[in-house]
Amino acid sequence: AQSVTQPDIHITVSEGASLELRCNYSYGATPYLFWYVQSPGQGLQLLLKYFSGDTLVQGIKGFEAEFKRSQSSFNLRKPSVHWSDAAEYFCAVAGSGSARQLTFGSGTQLTVLP
Amino acid sequence: KAGVTQTPRYLIKTRGQQVTLSCSPISGHRSVSWYQQTPGQGLQFLFEYFSETQRNKGNFPGRFSGRQFSNSRSEMNVSTLELGDSALYLCASSLGVTNTEAFFGQGTRLTVV
Repeated sequence: AQSVTQPDIHITVSEGASLELRCNYSYGATPYLFWYVQSPGQGLQLLLKYFSGDTLVQGIKGFEAEFKRSQSSFNLRKPSVHWSDAAEYFCAVAGSGSARQLTFGSGTQLTVLP
Repeated sequence: KAGVTQTPRYLIKTRGQQVTLSCSPISGHRSVSWYQQTPGQGLQFLFEYFSETQRNKGNFPGRFSGRQFSNSRSEMNVSTLELGDSALYLCASSLGVTNTEAFFGQGTRLTVV
């Protein structure tokens, strides 16, 4: 069965600082990987996705993520955080066929200090 | 292009009642999935529909059911509501079974009292 671990429940960074959110996945084959962001009371917005090819993927709002098969990781990064980035971030994995549903990590809450 | 629309946005029900939630996918999308989000369990997959057929189902009791119509709109129903069913229910649409990129609606916040 597929699974996702986000080891950091809560991260606090200062505005303008760099950010890295960690994500480790478990899946037997090549996974489809996603990062979503959720503001309070809202749905999930897709930041970026990895299906295949280049292991460094660019997303919206200046985010990027790197797929590292050897480490089963898909960490999210941003070079300079803005106050509007404060939200909860979810990493998700999907397989194919009967395993194509999204399996989410428990999320990382990001606080941005002025 | 309009996004995924879920109605209603908020709902308060009493234990033992039943509830129906609605989801209209993005135009052209034929696959609809439902997820339950709670503080304790996080985001959990409920079921997926494609071309009016349930393709996949998560580990939820039979009180949770769904259906999809010919226009791809979907409904989910929860019968005999329990306090633990209080959650944000999220609907996601994607093009089809071979496309995994899912777009989410804003959710329906269900409170069971």
